[in-house]
Amino acid sequence: EVHLVESGGDLVQPGGPLRLSCAASGFTFSHYAMHWVRQAPGKGLEHVSAISGNGISTSYATSVKGRFTISRDNSKNTLYLQMGSLRAEDMAVYYCARLTVNSLDYWGQGTLVTVSS
Amino acid sequence: EIVLTQSPDTLSLSPGERATLSCRASQSVGSYLAWYQQKVGQAPRLLIYDASNRATGIPARFSGSGSGTDFTLTISSLEPEDLAVYFCQQASNWPWTFGQGTKVEIK
Repeated sequence: EVHLVESGGDLVQPGGPLRLSCAASGFTFSHYAMHWVRQAPGKGLEHVSAISGNGISTSYATSVKGRFTISRDNSKNTLYLQMGSLRAEDMAVYYCARLTVNSLDYWGQGTLVTVSS
Repeated sequence: EIVLTQSPDTLSLSPGERATLSCRASQSVGSYLAWYQQKVGQAPRLLIYDASNRATGIPARFSGSGSGTDFTLTISSLEPEDLAVYFCQQASNWPWTFGQGTKVEIK
């Protein structure tokens, strides 16, 4: 059974860094591109970043480009999101999700990032 | 960036009724459109991909149609457990974008 478990969400001060992790199991991790999607409290969904199965190709939303870095360690079946220069508008639940046919078929339960002084 | 506009914002129906949710794109996305269901406190769940294909395990009462800029998600006969917010998402252009969501309420 496919499982995705995010971790690393925390309270962080504006301007600070934070790294999120997503542990994957139940499928051949390296065969799938992975995405990060976030949802601000009471709001809709926003695509943040994506990475190919081999980790070579990455994409970012304009709102996070230059501040966030997506990466993966296929030997550990783990996806990462290194976040820097955090702003109040980055506060959200961050989900990792697996890419299938032009859509995201499995999602983790999410991890909450709070940005506040 | 492609903007997806969903309508209505809220749909209130009785069990057994038919629900029709709309998603309109600011430019053509071909058939690269997906629908997700999100219940309170849960992660989104994929319902439909490529406009009209049901994801694994999704009940037959959920169906999708459309292409280009106009898409529809239909729930043929509402069940109480269909109470949720429904989002559309395009995968035609990066960044992928989502609609603002339609909340389905059960009377």
